[in-house]
Amino acid sequence: GAVVSQHPSRVICKSGTSVKIECRSLDFQATTMFWYRQFPKKSLMLMATSNEGSKATYEQGVEKDKFLINHASLTLSTLTVTSAHPEDSSFYICSARRASNQPQHFGDGTRLSIL
Amino acid sequence: DAKTTQPNSMESNEEEPVHLPCNHSTISGTDYIHWYRQLPSQGPEYVIHGLTSNVNNRMASLAIAEDRKSSTLILHRATLRDAAVYYCIPHNAGGTSYGKLTFGQGTILTVHP
Repeated sequence: GAVVSQHPSRVICKSGTSVKIECRSLDFQATTMFWYRQFPKKSLMLMATSNEGSKATYEQGVEKDKFLINHASLTLSTLTVTSAHPEDSSFYICSARRASNQPQHFGDGTRLSIL
Repeated sequence: DAKTTQPNSMESNEEEPVHLPCNHSTISGTDYIHWYRQLPSQGPEYVIHGLTSNVNNRMASLAIAEDRKSSTLILHRATLRDAAVYYCIPHNAGGTSYGKLTFGQGTILTVHP
């Protein structure tokens, strides 16, 4: 089956720190990757859509300068939370898919805690 | 995006069948119906998807109403590992949405031993 690896699984850091989260598709080439955020007891909220080799498309209300997305290859996308603050604490989840008519395969998420 | 309505929660006993309903009365003709589930503290997991015909795979079956305004995910024999939040998501592969998924609140399934 399709496997998506997300790293790290948990991060605790001080306010003002920048944090990078990696998302890798291990056994398939992902034309598109997605980044979601999930607050406790809430559903997933899409933050941005990332196509390999092009700029990410951000959802309304998501600051592109705050959440930097790089999708340099067909198997790797990164999300950098710049100058993180306590309100950025959340569960960040990535997904990847082979093609637009294929299901998305999700990573196990990164729990980010900003002190 | 098509709006979906799912029960907030459902309960089942282990080894019994579970029928999880979803209403999607505003679904467009080209939207597939996708189901995902999310176990606690994990990312979602793809379960099944279909367009018009009923679908079966090793995880579940998907029954789609003839008018496509509703569908039912069927777990034939629930296990404790099936306890999760189940999301029904109409999905358009093309268009301006780039095939993105819009997650609703889903159904919290509790399985009793």
